[in-house]
This record gives sequence, C-alpha cells and structure tokens, in this order.
Amino acid sequence: DGGITQSPKYLFRKEGQNVTLSCEQNLNHDAMYWYRQDPGQGLRLIYYSQIVNDFQKGDIAEGYSVSREKKESFPLTVTSAQKNPTAFYLCASSIRGQGIYEQYFGPGTRLTVT
Amino acid sequence: ILNVEQSPQSLHVQEGDSTNFTCSFPSSNFYALHWYRWETAKSPEALFVMTLNGDEKKKGRISATLNTKEGYSYLYIKGSQPEDSATYLCALFNAGNNRKLIWGLGTSLAVNP
Repeated sequence: DGGITQSPKYLFRKEGQNVTLSCEQNLNHDAMYWYRQDPGQGLRLIYYSQIVNDFQKGDIAEGYSVSREKKESFPLTVTSAQKNPTAFYLCASSIRGQGIYEQYFGPGTRLTVT
Repeated sequence: ILNVEQSPQSLHVQEGDSTNFTCSFPSSNFYALHWYRWETAKSPEALFVMTLNGDEKKKGRISATLNTKEGYSYLYIKGSQPEDSATYLCALFNAGNNRKLIWGLGTSLAVNP
C-alpha cells in the first residue's frame, strides 16, 4: 500500500523540550512538505524539500528544523524556540516540487505543548 | 502578500441539491490552481490541479472550472450526498511566489440526509 505515514497521531510535550515529528512516504516522490494548521487559518508551509539533502524555509520556519537524508523521510523537529508549538501538523509529498503536481497528505500529528 | 479567498465559508444543503463554491486569487503570474477535499478525521485528498484558462475538470459528480484572467475557480457538486460533507480547499501556485502553494481557508460543506 503506497502512502504517507505520520507518527504519532497525538503528541504531548512539556514547554522547553524539543520534539521530532515523523513523516515517511513510499510513493517515490521527490518533494516533501510540512504544514501547520491553526484554527481560523489556512495551511501554512513550514519547510519543504524538492530533493534529498536539500530543503527550503517556508513562511513560518522559525523555531523548526528539518532534515532530508533519505528520499522517503522528512522529519520535523519543533524546538523550544518555537513560541506557539501547539498545533496540527501535516506532512505531504508530490512527485516533483514545481506546483503542478498534486500533493498527497499524511494523517497529521496533533502536538500539544504545556 | 498573495491572498486566496474562498466563499462561502460554510454551506448546508439537502441531499440531492447541487451546489457550488468559489475560489478567488490574484491573476498575475498564475501557474496552477489546486482543489482538495478534506473529510473530518481523514487526510486532505487532491481533487484537481488546473493550469489552463478555461479549463474544466470532472471527477464523478464533482467538477471545476478555471478563469485565470479574472482570477477565480468554481467547484460544482451535482446531486450532493452525505458523503460529500467535507471542507473543500483551494490553493494557488503562483510563478512569483517562491514556488509554494498559498492555501485558502476552505468551504465547509454539510449535506443533510
């Protein structure tokens, strides 16, 4: 079964702790994305990667970091520098990153930081 | 700052009704317009990616049209069913926008049986 997996579905952390959200795809897609959703706002891009070992900041990259060491994996670390980390995080991938290819989404991770 | 607007914000229809909603976007530097359906407790799912002015795409009872000159796209659902209940998102890929999608807030559709 091809698709994108994110784990865990729910994550709870104490303020000040870094946390890493997992995203794996077996679709052989070059491009991968991390979005954040907050109530009343559209999906906002955190980071994206168009190819292995390369990634670019999105609109709200501050307080986040990513890596793309393997084509299949694009983990997102939410650092203690992120002011409002509590949110719903979605990972997505597309065949290529040029914007004409549909994106495939994972089920999301809801992060709560207290 | 590029803005993608969707209207209405929410919609309640009866089973069997046909319905439509709008996605408006800046027409300059247009590259592509995406439509996604996001059902509760599921992942967003792509419906259409449209690139040409006048384009019309169809998937079952759902169709979409695109006007890149005036900056809007319509999504139509014919004979709505309860399983069509979802949030419908559009997203603009603009050639001058650092190569990323700009998302609307979505239209939330509820179809009553």
